[in-house]
Amino acid sequence: AQTVTQSQPEMSVQEAETVTLSCTYDTSESDYYLFWYKQPPSRQMILVIRQEAYKQQNATENRFSVNFQKAAKSFSLKISDSQLGDAAMYFCAYRSPSNQFYFGTGTSLTVIP
Amino acid sequence: GAVVSQHPSRVICKSGTSVKIECRSLDFQATTMFWYRQFPKQSLMLMATSNEGSKATYEQGVEKDKFLINHASLTLSTLTVTSAHPEDSSFYICSATRIDTQYFGPGTRLTVL
Repeated sequence: AQTVTQSQPEMSVQEAETVTLSCTYDTSESDYYLFWYKQPPSRQMILVIRQEAYKQQNATENRFSVNFQKAAKSFSLKISDSQLGDAAMYFCAYRSPSNQFYFGTGTSLTVIP
Repeated sequence: GAVVSQHPSRVICKSGTSVKIECRSLDFQATTMFWYRQFPKQSLMLMATSNEGSKATYEQGVEKDKFLINHASLTLSTLTVTSAHPEDSSFYICSATRIDTQYFGPGTRLTVL
């Protein structure tokens, strides 16, 4: 069965600094998708970034980038120039070829002014 | 694009009554929608997968007679909590799939007195 593991329940970062959130997953598939979602206190889940497994190039969205290591089944999220608005729960998610989604347990990110 | 609305955002009801929650994809058609339940400080728990024009697929342990799901059109899925009890109080989130990505509604806070 596919599983998604986020080993850091909580992380903190100083404003304007960089932080990396970890995510590993388990799958026997070769074609899948990976996502990072952000859930601020409003509880609205917001898509941060997505990565297709067949693409070797790491996805980037402004200050957010991923380090996708397919062989290691690792998918970390790097947030550069952290801002107060980045404070939230971050969930890593895996989508299987059959359109099933699996979420990690989340990492709570605190941004220190 | 890819906006998902959810209504109501909050509902308080008496024990024994039924509550309907609507999930709409506003600017795209979604053949698949998902319903989640989220407890405080926890990840999303998938309740069921809703496919347009067919019966929903429920996760193990989710009572299909209690949580009625209807996906009558490509833009609307509804979740009805029947004979609600205090233990059904929770945060319910829907999502709709566009291409390979899930987009989430803002959630519904259900409180059963």
